[in-house]
Amino acid sequence: QVQLQESGPGLVKPSGTLSLTCGVSGGSISSINWLSWVRQSPGKGLQWVGEISHSGNTNYNPSLKSRVTISLDRSKNQVSLKLNFVTAADTAVYYCAKEGDGGMTSFDRWGQGTLVTVSS
Amino acid sequence: EIVLTQSPGTLSLSPGERATLSCRASQSVDSTYLAWYQQKPGQAPRLLIYGTSNRATGIPDRFSGSGSGTDFTLTISRLEPEDFAVYYCQQYDRPPPLFTFGPGTKVNIK
Repeated sequence: QVQLQESGPGLVKPSGTLSLTCGVSGGSISSINWLSWVRQSPGKGLQWVGEISHSGNTNYNPSLKSRVTISLDRSKNQVSLKLNFVTAADTAVYYCAKEGDGGMTSFDRWGQGTLVTVSS
Repeated sequence: EIVLTQSPGTLSLSPGERATLSCRASQSVDSTYLAWYQQKPGQAPRLLIYGTSNRATGIPDRFSGSGSGTDFTLTISRLEPEDFAVYYCQQYDRPPPLFTFGPGTKVNIK
């Protein structure tokens, strides 16, 4: 069974860049059709950030698109998230989540999540 | 963008009782693209139901989903102690691809 693990700094300064990685274990990242980032903050609940396919195609939430980049590193079996120009509103627990196979369009496996706080 | 509304916000029930949770969409949702999750404190969401009525792997049959169009329901036939949690519905729409979640229903022990 594929396992997902988020990692990265827990504190980011306002106007800085949030950078997280999602490590995949128990299988090749190439076996995952689509992998998403989802965040959860008290004010906004669960919000989909964006997704990347095993071939590197990306889709982003239009509300974040201008600030988000998701990329794939097959050699390290991981996916990265970068969010630029962060504000306090970006404070959240960030999850990576695998989309189910066969066009399920739902998330059948999640990482444990990592809390990122935006503060000076 | 399709907006999901869940009701009630909080549901207080006793173990053994039936729970009925509602998810309403601002526009019609393809039933293939409606899912439900359970989340406990400090944990990631867990997929319960996908495609409106299909139980995910390992999910007990006391959980069932139904609905179509703009109205969807998650039913827990007999609440077990481990079922007290927050439940979210989620839909997928395109173009462009966009996943959205409802605000959640908290199921409390009465």
